[in-house]
Amino acid sequence: EPEVTQTPSHQVTQMGQEVILRCVPISNHLYFYWYRQILGQKVEFLVSFYNNEISEKSEIFDDQFSVERPDGSNFTLKIRSTKLEDSAMYFCASSSNSPLHFGNGTRLTVT
Amino acid sequence: RKEVEQDPGPFNVPEGATVAFNCTYSNSASQSFFWYRQDCRKEPKLLMSVYSSGNEDGRFTAQLNRASQYISLLIRDSKLSDSATYLCVVSSYSSASKIIFGSGTRLSIRP
Repeated sequence: EPEVTQTPSHQVTQMGQEVILRCVPISNHLYFYWYRQILGQKVEFLVSFYNNEISEKSEIFDDQFSVERPDGSNFTLKIRSTKLEDSAMYFCASSSNSPLHFGNGTRLTVT
Repeated sequence: RKEVEQDPGPFNVPEGATVAFNCTYSNSASQSFFWYRQDCRKEPKLLMSVYSSGNEDGRFTAQLNRASQYISLLIRDSKLSDSATYLCVVSSYSSASKIIFGSGTRLSIRP
């Protein structure tokens, strides 16, 4: 069964550094998403992406965040200057219409 | 009012019991509804979509009440492996949009 893959599985970075989280969505899917989950809290929507542009974003997705689909397969989330409170599990998801299929997540630890 | 609201639990029930979870949503324009399960520190996985007429998948039954903006999940003959957090998921449009997760209901099945 095709699956969404995310790399790395765990990223440790210092506060103020830039990080790029990578995702390879399922190949025939057209809609891509990033969610995050702070430990012990709910899954929070960050952004959705369709037709090479952002279609929706949440209040969390401020100017420190950006997404890109640099080629036909990768979908990346960049955090420009990480803060301690960015520490969380980041999930990529894709869909052809609905529902969402999630990757295994990247655990981001900001120290 | 939260966009998607669930009873956080935890529900602690014996193996073989029937357990029901409820979820309410605030946006009357919501179109698609799902139940996901999430095991500890893992990605959410689709359990079942929720259709207007209600639907069943083995021991799991999902119901939707649009008038009351209410979704339910019933688990019959619960197994130890059903222990997880159950997430109610609602999307406002058919796709490429903000898909919102409830905070989840924790279920623990005891032998």
